[in-house]
Amino acid sequence: TAGITQAPTSQILAAGRSMTLRCTQDMRHNAMYWYRQDLGLGLRLIHYSNTAGTTGKGEVPDGYSVSRANTDDFPLTLASAVPSQTSVYFCASSEGEGVSEQFFGPGTRLTVL
Amino acid sequence: GQNIDQPTEMTATEGAIVQINCTYQTSGFNGLFWYQQHAGEAPTFLSYNVLDGLEEKGRFSSFLSRSKGYSYLLLKELQMKDSASYLCAVSDSNYQLIWGAGTKLIIKP
Repeated sequence: TAGITQAPTSQILAAGRSMTLRCTQDMRHNAMYWYRQDLGLGLRLIHYSNTAGTTGKGEVPDGYSVSRANTDDFPLTLASAVPSQTSVYFCASSEGEGVSEQFFGPGTRLTVL
Repeated sequence: GQNIDQPTEMTATEGAIVQINCTYQTSGFNGLFWYQQHAGEAPTFLSYNVLDGLEEKGRFSSFLSRSKGYSYLLLKELQMKDSASYLCAVSDSNYQLIWGAGTKLIIKP
């Protein structure tokens, strides 16, 4: 079972360029999440989706957008990257709303120059 | 505001016991999670507490006191593979997870 996959594993991006980070899960989980993890800070929620067709803003949504066209996929788009978006990005999923364990993908390491 | 505090780094000896503390102030409380994260890898679930008391799972135990806004993760019989960061996270009133910055645990032989 693959669980959650993310692509690419790492990327170097020029400032001002756009990029989409991909996330796919095969657990039929309803809820999905995008976090960024920076040194010395906890995981910070960027956007989430409680079910296919719906999305919501997390703690740090500015500069990012998401879509949830189906249950399995939850791509994160940076429309015009800036150096402060250099981070490790984790996608996660859980069975549904409410309290449940979140399962994480392997992460994407993004550097914006 | 919402806040999760845990020590930045701890050092312990192989075979010993270590306790990692976490204090929290959040808008609402729907449970507390502990995750383990090895360097360069994704976080993985360790434990979940929603009621006061101790939950034991093999070498790992987690304790919660809701009145004190306090939890700890207890690791027994430490092994070198336990060297990792341990993340405390609270599910708030909106069921969003608020994460601490993590405690880096270094195990020495």
